[in-house]
Amino acid sequence: NAGVTQTPKFQVLKTGQSMTLQCAQDMNHNSMYWYRQDPGMGLRLIYYSASEGTTDKGEVPNGYNVSRLNKREFSLRLESAAPSQTSVYFCAIIVLRRSVYGYTFGSGTRLTVV
Amino acid sequence: DQQVKQNSPSLSVQEGRISILNCDYTNSMFDYFLWYKKYPAEGPTFLISISSIKDKNEDGRFTVFLNKSAKHLSLHIVPSQPGDSAVYFCAANNAGNNRKLIWGLGTSLAVNP
Repeated sequence: NAGVTQTPKFQVLKTGQSMTLQCAQDMNHNSMYWYRQDPGMGLRLIYYSASEGTTDKGEVPNGYNVSRLNKREFSLRLESAAPSQTSVYFCAIIVLRRSVYGYTFGSGTRLTVV
Repeated sequence: DQQVKQNSPSLSVQEGRISILNCDYTNSMFDYFLWYKKYPAEGPTFLISISSIKDKNEDGRFTVFLNKSAKHLSLHIVPSQPGDSAVYFCAANNAGNNRKLIWGLGTSLAVNP
């Protein structure tokens, strides 16, 4: 997962608490993505950012906010955490491999909301 | 509505045999397809891809076949090794979709020694 760094790796929150998940890339790519992965649900897109200063909603944006203040960093914020937000969160950037666009993922943040 | 479907949640194979993971899609506008592999506690990693203009792509032990008329692709792993045990995700994209990948739900492969 070189090139995409996520912090923290683990977090436990109480219902109603807030936190920000950080993602940074050193590959100078424009597009960045936040996904959540839940058992039996695959990977679901929360938000994405096509370029610095722009963000758009994905499939499951409710309860989240994002910020893309510069090209390198894309953060995901939970303002008031709920147990339904217990999940593993992945940040990704898009890379071009042999003329095909694909993602490189960070190693994930495992969040538990109690 | 699931545009990319992996109908087998799990698959168990003996070491040395072939593993075949299947994926079906509904959107004829998809122009390339990717397979990702995911180990527990790690992010998904890119495995192999195929463009819609091809019907086969091979990379070592991994081969992906695409049947556009059936809207079906498959990943073959030969020979299977215990280290291949992981969850495999099929993903698809069309160039006009801001490069957002559409994901299947994954198939958990267990390769038994």
